[in-house]
Order: sequence, then C-alpha cells, then structure tokens
Amino acid sequence: DAKTTQPNSMESNEEEPVHLPCNHSTISGTDYIHWYRQLPSQGPEYVIHGLTSNVNNRMASLAIAEDRKSSTLILHRATLRDAAVYYCILRDRAGRRALTFGSGTRLQVQP
Amino acid sequence: GAGVSQSPRYKVAKRGRDVALRCDSISGHVTLYWYRQTLGQGSEVLTYSQSDAQRDKSGRPSGRFSAERPERSVSTLKIQRTEQGDSAVYLCASSYLSGPECYEQYFGPGTRLTVT
Repeated sequence: DAKTTQPNSMESNEEEPVHLPCNHSTISGTDYIHWYRQLPSQGPEYVIHGLTSNVNNRMASLAIAEDRKSSTLILHRATLRDAAVYYCILRDRAGRRALTFGSGTRLQVQP
Repeated sequence: GAGVSQSPRYKVAKRGRDVALRCDSISGHVTLYWYRQTLGQGSEVLTYSQSDAQRDKSGRPSGRFSAERPERSVSTLKIQRTEQGDSAVYLCASSYLSGPECYEQYFGPGTRLTVT
C-alpha cells in the first residue's frame, strides 16, 4: 500500500481555519485519498474523500495537488469539538477494502 | 438513527482465556470489519466479512482470531488463548456498499480489552 506522511501534531485557535497536510508521493493512479478523524474515546469517523478534484462537504474541504502527491484537509472554522486525530488514508480502488491507518495528526484547538 | 454499537465497552481477561466481543452494525450494511488499535502499533485490520459469508476473510496471520456473523448485522470477534499483547482497543466498522467503490466506514466506539 502507498504510504502517507502527516505531521504528528498541529495547533489551532478556535474559529480560525486549519490546514492539515498529507504527503503521499507514491500514490498510484487508482488510489483514492480518504480522511478520517478520531475524537477522544471514540471510533474513527469518515470526514471526506477524493480522487483528483477538490471536494467540499459539510464537515471540511479537501484540496488535492495537481500531481496528487499531496493533499490538504481544510477545516474552515475550527471548533473545540474538532480536536481529534486526523488520518489521511489511501484506498486502493482495485479491491483492498480495509483501511490502513497511519499515526495521523493530533489537532489541538485552543479557545 | 442508531450507529454501530459494541459490547462490552471494557473487558478484562486473564491470559490464556478465550474472549468474545460483539458488534451490532447498522441495518442494511453489507461489510463488517474488525480493527485493532494500540498506542504503540496504531491501527490494523484483523478481519472483514461480507453479508453472504459467515466466515471471515482474515487479514491477520494468527489463527487465534476469528469472526462469526450469526446475523447480517451482528458480528462476534473471538480471540482464543489471549496473550498480554492482545491488550488493545478493538474497533468494529461497517459499510453499506460492497466492493472497491465503498468509501465510508462507520465505526463503533470500540471495546477496550485488557489481558492480565
């Protein structure tokens, strides 16, 4: 599986935008980029995913570099409830169904 | 609506004993997954199954782990002869679609297993 690299931790202030980077230089043409997050004492939850084009949903936006070797998850206005570990995961379209989690980025949000 | 639930939330087992962890997934979901999460090793998939297969498609080499699916929305992860290294949070997840296009997995809160 292609690997992703994320910073171990990031800090943000409440109500400010947050940009969480992810590098995936060995991504293949059929890999989708997925983001999940895990709040304390909870299971992971799906945030967003994309293939080539930027994506928006009610939780976040996903900006994908033109060469697809990196992507950025954007939280437009961080709240205290967004404090979590964020995982950037590549999902092989060819058939692997399980998610492969890395160590993720621990996001702290300051009031 | 109801999400994925797991029971028990906490389990303490003596080394060498067998344990069974239950997952109740969302009605209509096709694929069920079991993951294990530890501080040192992160998360790894243990097994997954589709609705038409009661036996698991194991991603884990050890024969001590197995999953059964007595009902479409229920899965039981069984760990035989527990070892201290099995102490972890066990996460169950399910997804509506089957196949490579499936993109969203719904996770339960996990069962924290401590082997003493």
